[in-house]
Amino acid sequence: ILNVEQSPQSLHVQEGDSTNFTCSFPSSNFYALHWYRWETAKSPEALFVMTLNGDEKKKGRISATLNTKEGYSYLYIKGSQPEDSATYLCARLVPNTGNQFYFGTGTSLTVIP
Amino acid sequence: KAGVTQTPRYLIKTRGQQVTLSCSPISGHRSVSWYQQTPGQGLQFLFEYFSETQRNKGNFPGRFSGRQFSNSRSEMNVSTLELGDSALYLCASSLPSGGGPEQFFGPGTRLTVL
Repeated sequence: ILNVEQSPQSLHVQEGDSTNFTCSFPSSNFYALHWYRWETAKSPEALFVMTLNGDEKKKGRISATLNTKEGYSYLYIKGSQPEDSATYLCARLVPNTGNQFYFGTGTSLTVIP
Repeated sequence: KAGVTQTPRYLIKTRGQQVTLSCSPISGHRSVSWYQQTPGQGLQFLFEYFSETQRNKGNFPGRFSGRQFSNSRSEMNVSTLELGDSALYLCASSLPSGGGPEQFFGPGTRLTVL
């Protein structure tokens, strides 16, 4: 019931390509969804905190949308660069808790120069 | 502002031993959460501490415990280590606000159990 699923598991794209991946979660009792970028040998870094159905957030070439009614969020990267290579995680906040999150297993993105 | 720090960064233990990991949050952050990552698994929530109290606990056996001190620093302890406890342990701190605030992660402690 609380599982968060991400697809695809991994992705290889050429530099300059645009790409997107999906985070699926139970649509009932939604509270918040977070996206994180995790580069090798570094700590996960927050990209977006999304709370409202229809939310669209953008940071540079990266953007995300949220559909709480159908239980999914998309992360888009426009014009991928080698420095975008990382694992992208989404996490669902469990309602009525402080900061208890369920994380997906991530999408590993490799951008080939 | 200094980030989240974790010590030690690497640790090797043998089965049956116990281990204590430490996490120092960003100054002003009162919530500290702990996660375990094993190969092929996403980050698994262990527990969260807020103002020295455990606020939430994930689905882990009682061998996993933690505490938080008055300065918000947190420790987690694993007793009677098993091979399956080999993992990367991450802590994350956040401000005490509602709506699931942004989590700031430390670099992690890599635990190997032999």
